[in-house]
Amino acid sequence: QKEVEQNSGPLSVPEGAIASLNCTYSDRGSQSFFWYRQYSGKSPELIMFIYSNGDKEDGRFTAQLNKASQYVSLLIRDSQPSDSATYLCAVHNAGNNRKLIWGLGTSLAVNP
Amino acid sequence: SQTIHQWPATLVQPVGSPLSLECTVEGTSNPNLYWYRQAAGRGLQLLFYSVGIGQISSEVPQNLSASRPQDRQFILSSKKLLLSDSGFYLCAWTHFRLAGGPGANVLTFGAGSRLTVL
Repeated sequence: QKEVEQNSGPLSVPEGAIASLNCTYSDRGSQSFFWYRQYSGKSPELIMFIYSNGDKEDGRFTAQLNKASQYVSLLIRDSQPSDSATYLCAVHNAGNNRKLIWGLGTSLAVNP
Repeated sequence: SQTIHQWPATLVQPVGSPLSLECTVEGTSNPNLYWYRQAAGRGLQLLFYSVGIGQISSEVPQNLSASRPQDRQFILSSKKLLLSDSGFYLCAWTHFRLAGGPGANVLTFGAGSRLTVL
């Protein structure tokens, strides 16, 4: 059973701090990795995707991928209260047909 | 640009009643289409996906069905709803690329349909 695991949280950080969200996956053949943000009552929206080992930065967000250790993380710098949401990690292996494997999400609370 | 529409946004249905949720995608052709369900406090559960007109793959055997009568239209149905069918239903689309690559296989979700079965 292919799995994606995330700490459910809640992760609580003060405003302006760095929030670190982690995700591990079991399928070594995974090729694509996605971070989505989901506000309460809303649909998920893509934050970032990453394919290669290392870091990928987009504004205040940095995704980090380590395929050898099978984890992907999301760093949010200068956290804002508007970042308070659930963050979903998703993983794709092209050999797994056309489906993403989803984690259950980590709830983040940024306190003013 | 591509947009995805999903309706109705909310509905309250009695047990045993039928269901029809509709999803359409604009600005693209031959998308892969997906129906997910998210129960309260739970993760995303893939229900159905479709790679083309009339082609439906079912992930979870249950009293739901899906149809794709047109290239950019995806419909989720039930003949008789159960209490356990309550949840947040999400339609999504992507262009699947076996070779991967930047931007490949990124799912874009509709706004969702919140179903309460009483």
